[in-house]
Amino acid sequence: NAGVTQTPKFRILKIGQSMTLQCAQDMNHNYMYWYRQDPGMGLKLIYYSVGAGITDKGEVPNGYNVSRSTTEDFPLRLELAAPSQTSVYFCASSYQGSNEKLFFGSGTQLSVL
Amino acid sequence: DQQVKQNSPSLSVQEGRISILNCDYTNSMFDYFLWYKKYPAEGPTFLISISSIKDKNEDGRFTVFLNKSAKHLSLHIVPSQPGDSAVYFCAARVYGNNRLAFGKGNQVVVIP
Repeated sequence: NAGVTQTPKFRILKIGQSMTLQCAQDMNHNYMYWYRQDPGMGLKLIYYSVGAGITDKGEVPNGYNVSRSTTEDFPLRLELAAPSQTSVYFCASSYQGSNEKLFFGSGTQLSVL
Repeated sequence: DQQVKQNSPSLSVQEGRISILNCDYTNSMFDYFLWYKKYPAEGPTFLISISSIKDKNEDGRFTVFLNKSAKHLSLHIVPSQPGDSAVYFCAARVYGNNRLAFGKGNQVVVIP
């Protein structure tokens, strides 16, 4: 029972590089989310999806893109990495939205140098 | 602007005693509140929640109290155990909105 799986766990990028953070869940959840957590701060919502083919912006979407081609997968794309994107990224899922508890992945520590 | 505020970022408590974590919010449209617990190098895990129509919810050693007039909620952990040492996040939701607003978190250290 894997739950929410994120890869990679750690990554260092140079300014201007691009990468995709992978997220997969095996709980058949409709809702999926990407959050970032900066040091000493709470989690900020980047993007979310209420089902395959449907995505929407959160609080801090600039510099990111997402897609949701399947129920299971919700990758997060950084096109032109910037130092301001240095953060810990968490993917989460839930069955019916934020009125239910979210299940989080273990996070991706990203540094942009 | 920060809609969910957790002050006193760290708390140390003796094993067996009570831990009390506080959370204040500014948005009167919040109708559902949650607490998440986070260990280092792991994602947050759901701990307990409360609807705005209630003023208390209890689950084992964890109790959440909601004071709507004061826009304040608290999490009580009794008795505290070493395994409770973690960061605790308060979160809140506006009805019909899929976004949760998170506080900055409180570090709890339970001393054996």
